[in-house]
Amino acid sequence: DPKIIQKPKYLVAVTGSEKILICEQYLGHNAMYWYRQSAKKPLEFMFSYSYQKLMDNQTASSRFQPQSSKKNHLDLQITALKPDDSATYFCASSQTVSAETLYFGSGTRLTVL
Amino acid sequence: SQLAEENSWALSVHEGESVTVNCSYKTSITALQWYRQKSGKGPAQLILIRSNEREKRNGRLRATLDTSSQSSSLSITATRCEDTAVYFCATEIASSSFSKLVFGQGTSLSVVP
Repeated sequence: DPKIIQKPKYLVAVTGSEKILICEQYLGHNAMYWYRQSAKKPLEFMFSYSYQKLMDNQTASSRFQPQSSKKNHLDLQITALKPDDSATYFCASSQTVSAETLYFGSGTRLTVL
Repeated sequence: SQLAEENSWALSVHEGESVTVNCSYKTSITALQWYRQKSGKGPAQLILIRSNEREKRNGRLRATLDTSSQSSSLSITATRCEDTAVYFCATEIASSSFSKLVFGQGTSLSVVP
């Protein structure tokens, strides 16, 4: 059984719309992350959260907003979508805020038309 | 520029052969990690090698670390078709209370029959 669940697996959106990517982890971890992977860039760190608090934000645009309703949930809201946002978004978690070992979900592949 | 970089974009070997993926990094590290990402999946950690270690093994995998040259290698012996994947090295960037992983661009390995 997957321990980090990302929904949906595939997502197609139109330019200017808004989407929410869902992530839940059942590993009992205290830290969660979002990474983005596109053809142009390697795995790129976006956010880290611990106990529902933002720890680090490396996303330049405020269009990307993480949302944590529970300790084991970290959703990603993306507004005013652009074609350049097309990428696979990975959620990950680690036992502590020390990112010694990250466990990744299978990703949400977002395509913005 | 990337804090960690693999030295090859793509490698291809025949099943049963050995292969080595190399990585160079630019920062002082406490540990270097190797991850593998299979098609359609998120990355999964293979080996974590700490800065005071020179070599670490995990089954058919062997990682080395040379802090003087800021380089690491991951060797796979007796390769199998299921070793086909993208291999990343990653370094941990730590602040006072949390850390994040920064990944290289990855080396795509194809193991052919």
